Amino acid sequence: GPKVLQIPSHQIIDMGQMVTLNCDPVSNHLYFYWYKQILGQQMEFLVNFYNGKVMEKSKLFKDQFSVERPDGSYFTLKIQPTALEDSAVYFCASSFQGAGNTLYFGEGSRLIVV
Amino acid sequence: SQLAEENSWALSVHEGESVTVNCSYKTSITALQWYRQKSGKGPAQLILIRSNEREKRNGRLRATLDTSSQSSSLSITATRCEDTAVYFCATDYVGDNSKLIWGLGTSLVVNP
Repeated sequence: GPKVLQIPSHQIIDMGQMVTLNCDPVSNHLYFYWYKQILGQQMEFLVNFYNGKVMEKSKLFKDQFSVERPDGSYFTLKIQPTALEDSAVYFCASSFQGAGNTLYFGEGSRLIVV
Repeated sequence: SQLAEENSWALSVHEGESVTVNCSYKTSITALQWYRQKSGKGPAQLILIRSNEREKRNGRLRATLDTSSQSSSLSITATRCEDTAVYFCATDYVGDNSKLIWGLGTSLVVNP
């Protein structure tokens, strides 16, 4: 089936540094999402992105977070600066028609902030 | 507060048995989705059931939706060890399809 690719799969980073998580969504999809998951628990919505803009973001999407998809390339989540509580697995997802339809997820980027 | 939640934290069955995971939600929805997440992997959709549907099947999987009680169930028949995973229900809600709201998940272990 359709694949969403996430790079890197794992990253360890010092607190205060910047990290960029990359997502290559399904090619004809129009909606992109980032979710945060700690220890296999609930998937927590961070942000969604459509038509080059953030459509909605949650309280977890702190000021240190930003997303973009320059020129149809990777959909990125940048955290600058990182904090210890940012340690989690970040999942990217994409869909063709919004959240009422199937979301395709990547395998996740495991971020450890030390 | 949770807009969607599964009703069991963890279940354990033996291979070949059937199991049902239940989910309740708190708003009017356009669709409810069941996802499975295996260890170290991203979630994968199993079934999407729309608000005007009462039942949907996908092989050994059967999902039901009861909009009057705002609940859904996912049944797996003839379970296999590879069904071991965390099962999530997730909903959008009427007037906002910008995101899915997820339950906490039910961990299912299928023993040989």
